[in-house]
Amino acid sequence: DAKTTQPNSMESNEEEPVHLPCNHSTISGTDYIHWYRQLPSQGPEYVIHGLTSNVNNRMASLAIAEDRKSSTLILHRATLRDAAVYYCILKNSGGSNYKLTFGKGTLLTVNP
Amino acid sequence: GAGVSQTPSNKVTEKGKYVELRCDPISGHTALYWYRQSLGQGPEFLIYFQGTGAADDSGLPNDRFFAVRPEGSVSTLKIQRTERGDSAVYLCASSPVTSGANVLTFGAGSRLTVL
Repeated sequence: DAKTTQPNSMESNEEEPVHLPCNHSTISGTDYIHWYRQLPSQGPEYVIHGLTSNVNNRMASLAIAEDRKSSTLILHRATLRDAAVYYCILKNSGGSNYKLTFGKGTLLTVNP
Repeated sequence: GAGVSQTPSNKVTEKGKYVELRCDPISGHTALYWYRQSLGQGPEFLIYFQGTGAADDSGLPNDRFFAVRPEGSVSTLKIQRTERGDSAVYLCASSPVTSGANVLTFGAGSRLTVL
C-alpha cells in the first residue's frame, strides 16, 4: 500500500473546527483513503473513507484534493472527546488482502 | 456481542512463559486481524485470517508467535517463550470483507507485560 504523511501533532480549541491534513502523493487510482482514530487506552475506531469525492458522515467530513495527492479530515466542532491519534491510511481496493497498514498518525490535543 | 471482545484485558507474565490471547470477533465477520502496538507507535500488522485460514501471516515477528482460528470465529494468538520485547498491546479486529473499502472494527486490546 502507498505511504501517507501526516503531522506528528496538532492542537485545537474546543468547539472550533479542526482540519487534519494527509499527503499521499503516490496514491494509485484504486486506493481508498481511510481515516481511523484511537482514543486513549482504546483500539482504533473507523471515522470515514473515500475514493474521489468528498464524503460526510455523522463524525466528520473528508475533503479529497482533485489530484487525490492529499486529503483533509474535518471535525466541524471539536470536543474534548475528539482528543485522539488520527491515522490516514491508503487501502487498495484490488486483490484479496484486506489488511490496513498504520503509520504514526497525528496526535490531536483539544484545549477546553 | 455487539463489538470485538478481547481477553484478558491485561496479562503480566514472566520471561520465558507461554501466553494465549483470545479474540471474539463480531458475529458473521469472516475476516479477523491481529495487530501489535508498542508505546508511541501505530498498530503493527501481525496476521490476517479469511475464515479459518491465515491469508497473510507476513507480520508475525518470528516462530514464537502463532495464531489459530479453528472454526472461523474465535481466534487465539499464542506466544511461546515470551521475551521482554514482546510487551505491547495486542489488538484484534474483524471485518465483513464485502469490498475493497473494507472497514475494520477493533477490540480494546490485550495489554501484555513481560517481566
